[in-house]
Amino acid sequence: ILNVEQSPQSLHVQEGDSTNFTCSFPSSNFYALHWYRWETAKSPEALFVMTLNGDEKKKGRISATLNTKEGYSYLYIKGSQPEDSATYLCAYRNTGNQFYFGTGTSLTVIP
Amino acid sequence: IAGITQAPTSQILAAGRRMTLRCTQDMRHNAMYWYRQDLGLGLRLIHYSNTAGTTGKGEVPDGYSVSRANTDDFPLTLASAVPSQTSVYFCASKGSGRNNEQFFGPGTRLTVL
Repeated sequence: ILNVEQSPQSLHVQEGDSTNFTCSFPSSNFYALHWYRWETAKSPEALFVMTLNGDEKKKGRISATLNTKEGYSYLYIKGSQPEDSATYLCAYRNTGNQFYFGTGTSLTVIP
Repeated sequence: IAGITQAPTSQILAAGRRMTLRCTQDMRHNAMYWYRQDLGLGLRLIHYSNTAGTTGKGEVPDGYSVSRANTDDFPLTLASAVPSQTSVYFCASKGSGRNNEQFFGPGTRLTVL
């Protein structure tokens, strides 16, 4: 069984706070690391695809970093807003193009 | 059609019945995937296809089969449904290339009684 772990499982923050989550994954057979945003009753929506060690990607107030040698990625949200409330998923993709998902971090931003 | 569609949206099925969940994409993506979503377990890969004519097993393939006769369609079949297959099923697709994103369909909610 391949383990992709996300922490924390859930998080409540005040509007305006910055926050971050962790995704850990196996460093063997690594091909890419994907981050998704998943709102209730919707489908997961792609945020980032990260492939190279040391990668940093940014989209608005959300950014992510990647360390493939030690097998972790961080997702950062700066100045959280209520509309950021969602579950954030990461997925490890191996060289065979198979995806393994973590169980997600559920973020609630309190106005 | 725009993106990925799945049918049906939801279904209640008697145990032992055969069921095919349909998935169609119009983005000409080579890779397609089927996942099931269960509380506390997240998304788990059932089967995948890297290109038309090929399929592969994911983490939880038992009790499911797939086919990929063409680029656009990737049906998932439950030959004889069991209650443990009650779940939400998501189809996804991805273009070739390491940096391409994976896009998800709207999901099918299946209840096996």
